[in-house]
Amino acid sequence: KNEVEQSPQNLTAQEGEFITINCSYSVGISALHWLQQHPGGGIVSLFMLSSGKKKHGRLIATINIQEKHSSLHITASHPRDSAVYICAVPTYSGAGSYQLTFGKGTKLSVIP
Amino acid sequence: DTGVSQDPRHKITKRGQNVTFRCDPISEHNRLYWYRQTLGQGPEFLTYFQNEAQLEKSRLLSDRFSAERPKGSFSTLEIQRTEQGDSAMYLCASTPLARETQYFGPGTRLLVL
Repeated sequence: KNEVEQSPQNLTAQEGEFITINCSYSVGISALHWLQQHPGGGIVSLFMLSSGKKKHGRLIATINIQEKHSSLHITASHPRDSAVYICAVPTYSGAGSYQLTFGKGTKLSVIP
Repeated sequence: DTGVSQDPRHKITKRGQNVTFRCDPISEHNRLYWYRQTLGQGPEFLTYFQNEAQLEKSRLLSDRFSAERPKGSFSTLEIQRTEQGDSAMYLCASTPLARETQYFGPGTRLLVL
């Protein structure tokens, strides 16, 4: 079982639709990250959250620590939102080493 | 631009050749990470530096992979005797000490023929 699972893997939406991407994880965390990857590879950090909800423009991220579940919502979706959205959780090893474990990503296509 | 940079952006090589990639992190970022991403997958952690110290390298995929950060600034990732299965995007990220948000470079896309 993957430590970080996302659903759906692929999502096609009409412009203006409300979009939800889900992430479930099995490892203990201090904070969960949502990242955006555009074609060509560049990754941008969208949110880091450890509780409750965060909002940035049309993007909203929520997390339920007890249920080990997070969602990313996009309101009034636009074709420029088309990208791969990835959730990641930090894991810690000895010597204070910290690394991210990533989900496989959700590929979002927003059609005009 | 003071973001994370990677060089080269693309590399095509023949099987068996050695390749080296460079990552320049954001200035004064203590932590530097290397990840590999294959098609349709999320990034996969390879190794991690705090300043010049390589604190985690057990996830390097084989002994053909090695990484250095000799002066605590830029880092290199070398793959010796490349195989077709090494074809992937290699991503670098950096972060300041005591912060968790990682800043990613554009990646180096490797194709092994």
